Amino acid sequence: DAGITQSPRHKVTETGTPVTLRCHQTENHRYMYWYRQDPGHGLRLIHYSYGVKDTDKGEVSDGYSVSRSKTEDFLLTLESATSSQTSVYFCAISPLGSPSTDTQYFGPGTRLTVL
Amino acid sequence: TQLLEQSPQFLSIQEGENLTVYCNSSSVFSSLQWYRQEPGEGPVLLVTVVTGGEVKKLKRLTFQFGDARKDSSLHITAAQPGDTGLYLCAGMSDKLIFGTGTRLQVFP
Repeated sequence: DAGITQSPRHKVTETGTPVTLRCHQTENHRYMYWYRQDPGHGLRLIHYSYGVKDTDKGEVSDGYSVSRSKTEDFLLTLESATSSQTSVYFCAISPLGSPSTDTQYFGPGTRLTVL
Repeated sequence: TQLLEQSPQFLSIQEGENLTVYCNSSSVFSSLQWYRQEPGEGPVLLVTVVTGGEVKKLKRLTFQFGDARKDSSLHITAAQPGDTGLYLCAGMSDKLIFGTGTRLQVFP
């Protein structure tokens, strides 16, 4: 298994509170990604990183920010959580990023509920 | 926005039956991947197809990439309960675009 951990694994919070999810890898891969998974939508890319302090927006980035101060850690922050952000969040890593045959390795996910 | 539609959305079958899952898009992809996801876990890559018309086999699973590189299919022969899970296709352009998913349940 690829060395990816996510914390916390489950979180319940209230609308308007800030939330930070952590993704930690031991593979030294350059690329890291945050996705959210909702029924009927598959996985949708929120933000991704292509190096330390290098990040870019994905398909559904509104309401989310990210930071990557070290190769191994990629943080996803919800500045003011809303009920529409209730979802399962997955972190993924990949060594190459763009090439057509690259593989993304996924973490176990974080289930977030915003009441 | 690039979309990948999968059909069917849900599939419940008996052990031993055959099934096909489809992944369709109006966009062309440089490659296409299939993932399987089990409850409480992240998706795991099954296969990558790169060339239009390419067919790959993984034991009882057969994957095909459409000639125009806009669609793909996954065929499972003699399904087993261990095949139960969520199957996701994902097309590679500048980023990986995931399909809507097919949830398969195989009953003993």
